[in-house]
Amino acid sequence: QQQVKQSPQSLIVQKGGISIINCAYENTAFDYFPWYQQFPGKGPALLIAIRPDVSEKKEGRFTISFNKSAKQFSLHIMDSQPGDSATYFCASLSGGYNKLIFGAGTRLAVHP
Amino acid sequence: KAGVTQTPRYLIKTRGQQVTLSCSPISGHRSVSWYQQTPGQGLQFLFEYFSETQRNKGNFPGRFSGRQFSNSRSEMNVSTLELGDSALYLCASSLTGPDGYTFGSGTRLTVV
Repeated sequence: QQQVKQSPQSLIVQKGGISIINCAYENTAFDYFPWYQQFPGKGPALLIAIRPDVSEKKEGRFTISFNKSAKQFSLHIMDSQPGDSATYFCASLSGGYNKLIFGAGTRLAVHP
Repeated sequence: KAGVTQTPRYLIKTRGQQVTLSCSPISGHRSVSWYQQTPGQGLQFLFEYFSETQRNKGNFPGRFSGRQFSNSRSEMNVSTLELGDSALYLCASSLTGPDGYTFGSGTRLTVV
């Protein structure tokens, strides 16, 4: 019940296209769903996060879509740029456990 | 403002040795967590501290330990190092808990 399943493992998108990464969780107690972006040699950086009281959150080119009934959430990157090439991790948190559970990561490559 | 600082950045140790890694959180942050990142297992939670108290611990053997000081700085120690302990060890901090974590750049530990 503590798993977060992320797909796809890798993704290639053309510049200007839409990148979509999906995650599914099992534990209905999870109440915070962040996405992190990691570049080589760096730690993960918080990109955007959502709580289950809303179905969508948008910040610039990044949007989280959240489906509580399906226990799924996804990251959409609009107008993808080569600078977006990085590894993306979804995560889930249950406040009572004080720990983030991470997905396995998606390596995104945006080709010019 | 200064970010999360982890020292050292790189470390090479021999099997059987022990190692101590250091993390200085963002000023004012009282919650500090440690994660192990490997290509095979991804990001795995080690432990979380808040105001010098360990609030949660991951599924790692007792060779992995940590502590937090009154100034919120944290250390983690790994004793009797094994080859499988080679990983990027990441520290993250926030004001109150895992939501809103800022990660450091990590310490790359290589065990030979």
